Amino acid sequence: DAGVIQSPRHEVTEMGQEVTLRCKPISGHNSLFWYRQTMMRGLELLIYFNNNVPIDDSGMPEDRFSAKMPNASFSTLKIQPSEPRDSAVYFCASSFSHSQETQYFGPGTRLLVL
Amino acid sequence: KNQVEQSPQSLIILEGKNCTLQCNYTVSPFSNLRWYKQDTGRGPVSLTIMTFSENTKSNGRYTATLDADTKQSSLHITASQLSDSASYICVVSPGRDNNAGNMLTFGGGTRLMVKP
Repeated sequence: DAGVIQSPRHEVTEMGQEVTLRCKPISGHNSLFWYRQTMMRGLELLIYFNNNVPIDDSGMPEDRFSAKMPNASFSTLKIQPSEPRDSAVYFCASSFSHSQETQYFGPGTRLLVL
Repeated sequence: KNQVEQSPQSLIILEGKNCTLQCNYTVSPFSNLRWYKQDTGRGPVSLTIMTFSENTKSNGRYTATLDADTKQSSLHITASQLSDSASYICVVSPGRDNNAGNMLTFGGGTRLMVKP
C-alpha cells in the first residue's frame, strides 16, 4: 500500500485566496483525520470522519475552514479565504474505526499564506 | 482542562547512549496513550499505544511505560542511533468508547538530537 497520500506537498498562496488540500486514506481504513501543526501550537486535531461522516469538527478554527469526504477514498480540507495565520503543515491520517487503532499519517502539506 | 506536558523540550545525547522522555497528563477519563516519532519534514509515525490497563510496551529499542495512577508515561530509548533524532510526541485519548478521534490531547513534543 502507498500509505496516506496528500497533495499538494507544498502550497504558497496570497491572503484571501482559496486553498484546497487533498487526502487519499489507506485503502480499507474507515476513519480519517485532519491535523494542523505549527511551532507555536504543536499538533492539533481539526476534524475527523468515520465511514465518510464528520464525527467531531470542534477543532476547526472557524468558518473559513471546511472539510468533506465524498467517498471512502478521498477527502478535502478547504480554507476560504486564507489568512497568513493559517500557515502551517496540514496532515491527514487514517485508521480503522477504533480508538485503539494506530493512525497512519500522510507526508503533510506545507502551506504558506503570504 | 485536559493537558499533556512533555519534558524535556529538547535533548542532545551521544550515539549509543540511553535516554528517557517524560509525559505527564491530566486527561480524564483516560482511554489510551500513544507515543509518536516525527522526523523532520515528515508525518508522525506511531511507536506504541497503551491502554489504561497496560504498564509497559516495547517496540524494538523503544520502551514505553505507563502509570495510570500518577498519570505519567515515559519513553525509553536504548542504545540510541543517529536515526533516532526526531521529535517524540505523547498523545492521550480520553473516554472509553470506540470513537476513534475522541478529542485527542497532544503534548508539545520532545526534540531529540543524537550526535555521533
